[in-house]
Amino acid sequence: DTEVTQTPKHLVMGMTNKKSLKCEQHMGHRAMYWYKQKAKKPPELMFVYSYEKLSINESVPSRFSPECPNSSLLNLHLHALQPEDSALYLCASRYRPGLRRSEAFFGQGTRLTVV
Amino acid sequence: ELKVEQNPLFLSMQEGKNYTIYCNYSTTSDRLYWYRQDPGKSLESLFVLLSNGAVKQEGRLMASLDTKARLSTLHITAAVHDLSATYFCAVARTSGSRLTFGEGTQLTVNP
Repeated sequence: DTEVTQTPKHLVMGMTNKKSLKCEQHMGHRAMYWYKQKAKKPPELMFVYSYEKLSINESVPSRFSPECPNSSLLNLHLHALQPEDSALYLCASRYRPGLRRSEAFFGQGTRLTVV
Repeated sequence: ELKVEQNPLFLSMQEGKNYTIYCNYSTTSDRLYWYRQDPGKSLESLFVLLSNGAVKQEGRLMASLDTKARLSTLHITAAVHDLSATYFCAVARTSGSRLTFGEGTQLTVNP
């Protein structure tokens, strides 16, 4: 199993809504990532969890709140977003302890539109 | 701060031709990745390069890494239309978790 599964695939939300994005992997990876990608741009790192602890927060606004309930799950809670937050949100995972190759796998992404 | 530069950013080529995409990075790294992205889709892993002189090939694509020059190349041989996509390189700093992406190369292969 080399899959990172993200749900939902598409999300439209109003600026006053609260929603969550979900990411799941069963590869035993201990680092999980959230990236934001705008059209025709590279992915921008938002958060990194390492061994279920938040290790990197790239100065992301507090309207984005990550959560890592266990080693297989990663959530991104959204509240009071702005239209400019509309983007493709990508989850990734890597690093199986003892395995140097350490390929990073990406989920299919959630296309978020804020109206 | 780790910086990753790709060139060219846009590449239009004819089927059957060869070309190379370059990825330069600014600080020591122990992992370099190449990804492909089709429009509206996620990132597909192509290659992971871990050591100086590493060369990997898959079909018409071949990637190499020169850690001394801080340079990776993605060589396309006898391009076909199906290779049209955006290609990203991404670099991780030694022993770090952060993956920094280049700007991407938008490749169009014309019949």
